[in-house]
Amino acid sequence: EPEVTQTPSHQVTQMGQEVILRCVPISNHLYFYWYRQILGQKVEFLVSFYNNEISEKSEIFDDQFSVERPDGSNFTLKIRSTKLEDSAMYFCASLIRDYNEQFFGPGTRLTVL
Amino acid sequence: QKEVEQDPGPLSVPEGAIVSLNCTYSNSAFQYFMWYRQYSRKGPELLMYTYSSGNKEDGRFTAQVDKSSKYISLFIRDSQPSDSATYLCAMTSGGGADGLTFGKGTHLIIQP
Repeated sequence: EPEVTQTPSHQVTQMGQEVILRCVPISNHLYFYWYRQILGQKVEFLVSFYNNEISEKSEIFDDQFSVERPDGSNFTLKIRSTKLEDSAMYFCASLIRDYNEQFFGPGTRLTVL
Repeated sequence: QKEVEQDPGPLSVPEGAIVSLNCTYSNSAFQYFMWYRQYSRKGPELLMYTYSSGNKEDGRFTAQVDKSSKYISLFIRDSQPSDSATYLCAMTSGGGADGLTFGKGTHLIIQP
């Protein structure tokens, strides 16, 4: 069964460093998303991406964040200058256009020291 | 006012019991309702998806949506220890661009 994959599973970085989180969505899906979950908190929407551009973004998704689909399979989230409060699980999700069922990847645990 | 409220639990029930999990919401624009299961430090796994009001059944799981009360439920029949997980409700007004709004999740424990 097709699934969303994410790499790395765990990323440790120093405050102020740039990180890139990678996702491979399900191959025939057209909408892609990033969410984050701070330990013990809700899953929060960051951004949606369709047709090579951002469709919607939350107020969390500020200028420190960017997304890109550099080729036909990968979808990336870049955090330019990480802060301690960026420590969280980051989930990628994808959706096929005609249904509202979003399928999530296993997540990347980001630890900012 | 929180958009989606969900009792975090923990909810502990004996094996074989019927489990009832619930969420309330405030945004009347929500049209699509999902239940996800999440194991510790893993990604949410889609269990049930419902559009608008009504019931949907899939095996031991039944999802109910009452839009007039802004209340959704997930019932698990013949609960098993393997059902122990955190259950997240999520909803959206529709359209692929919209992100999901999640509840905080209910931690469910099924005692053998």
